[in-house]
Amino acid sequence: EAQVTQNPRYLITVTGKKLTVTCSQNMNHEYMSWYRQDPGLGLRQIYYSMNVEVTDKGDVPEGYKVSRKEKRNFPLILESPSPNQTSLYFCASSSPREQYFGPGTRLTVT
Amino acid sequence: GQSLEQPSEVTAVEGAIVQINCTYQTSGFYGLSWYQQHDGGAPTFLSYNALDGLEETGRFSSFLSRSDSYGYLLLQELQMKDSASYFCALTGGYQKVTFGTGTKLQVIP
Repeated sequence: EAQVTQNPRYLITVTGKKLTVTCSQNMNHEYMSWYRQDPGLGLRQIYYSMNVEVTDKGDVPEGYKVSRKEKRNFPLILESPSPNQTSLYFCASSSPREQYFGPGTRLTVT
Repeated sequence: GQSLEQPSEVTAVEGAIVQINCTYQTSGFYGLSWYQQHDGGAPTFLSYNALDGLEETGRFSSFLSRSDSYGYLLLQELQMKDSASYFCALTGGYQKVTFGTGTKLQVIP
């Protein structure tokens, strides 16, 4: 079954404590992305990756890092989270026509 | 950059037809997509238009006019389960995707 998995699904943390949200896909896609979703703002792209070791900034990259060491994995790293990064995060894996989204990670930074 | 505009809310009656419009500004793109998202869920793909014209998938159709910078999603034979948010999205180079802010569709009996 084609699948994108994210972990954790829910996370409450404190300002400044580094965290990583994992993302994995089993479709052998080259393209993967991270989005954040906030009320009234839709989905905004944070980072995307065209292949292993190839990443680029999306529209809202500040405060985030990514890495793509393996084709299937695309973790999102918040090295010093702040309250304005409280949001719902989605990882996506793409074919040329279609994006497959993970179930989402709801992050709260206090 | 790219920007897309959609109505924020639409209400329609079960069994009817509803059209959700999307206008955009961009310097270039490969295609216009539509996604559905139920409350608490992840977005799921509905359709993709690379070329001008109508694409039909069951009860859903999507249309693109590049000359008018405009597209729409048409939902026929509305069902209560179609109540959800619908997003249009532009795909540019290197799979950079920009989403609209979404249209919340409420289907009423």
